[in-house]
Amino acid sequence: EAGVAQSPRYKIIEKRQSVAFWCNPISGHATLYWYQQILGQGPKLLIQFQNNGVVDDSQLPKDRFSAERLKGVDSTLKIQPAKLEDSAVYLCASSLDGGRAGYEQYFGPGTRLTVT
Amino acid sequence: AQTVTQSQPEMSVQEAETVTLSCTYDTSESDYYLFWYKQPPSRQMILVIRQEAYKQQNATENRFSVNFQKAAKSFSLKISDSQLGDAAMYFCAYRSAGGATNKLIFGTGTLLAVQP
Repeated sequence: EAGVAQSPRYKIIEKRQSVAFWCNPISGHATLYWYQQILGQGPKLLIQFQNNGVVDDSQLPKDRFSAERLKGVDSTLKIQPAKLEDSAVYLCASSLDGGRAGYEQYFGPGTRLTVT
Repeated sequence: AQTVTQSQPEMSVQEAETVTLSCTYDTSESDYYLFWYKQPPSRQMILVIRQEAYKQQNATENRFSVNFQKAAKSFSLKISDSQLGDAAMYFCAYRSAGGATNKLIFGTGTLLAVQP
């Protein structure tokens, strides 16, 4: 079984530029998550999708961050314009179901973003 | 709001010895899940062990076991017969069992070094 795929693995941009990250979840997984992990901290959820609908985006900075999951499969996270404090690892995860059953979240390798 | 605290930024253990990583959490919920994740330098988060709050029996997975003290809101991870491959950042995480959102709330992590 293929794992969660993410690209690119690394990205360096200047502040005020835009950037996009791509995630392809494990086949058949209905729920997809984007986490932001700042150096020295644990990951923090940015947005959760159930199929192609948003379940939780309460911690997504909506003035600059956007995400979509077209057709309920792969997803794109965009930052426009980027700030220095957006430097972090962006982790994508997926799970079979987002319900009570507590299905395991499988993580991708992440994208390390550096904003200069 | 739920919080997870890991008070040990770094730990070190000799190969083949036993080490215990500490985690405390705060919640007003009675039904939830607790997890330990391992994050090696490759950045990919790997689930080590999970515990359902309604289960009194402590979870075990081969060399990994937990000490779950619900009243004290404590969830420690014991690694027995430590191996060089266990060296990584370890994160404790909390997840509510109810509601639509399944976000994991992470602690700040403990960096484990294994000495040969």
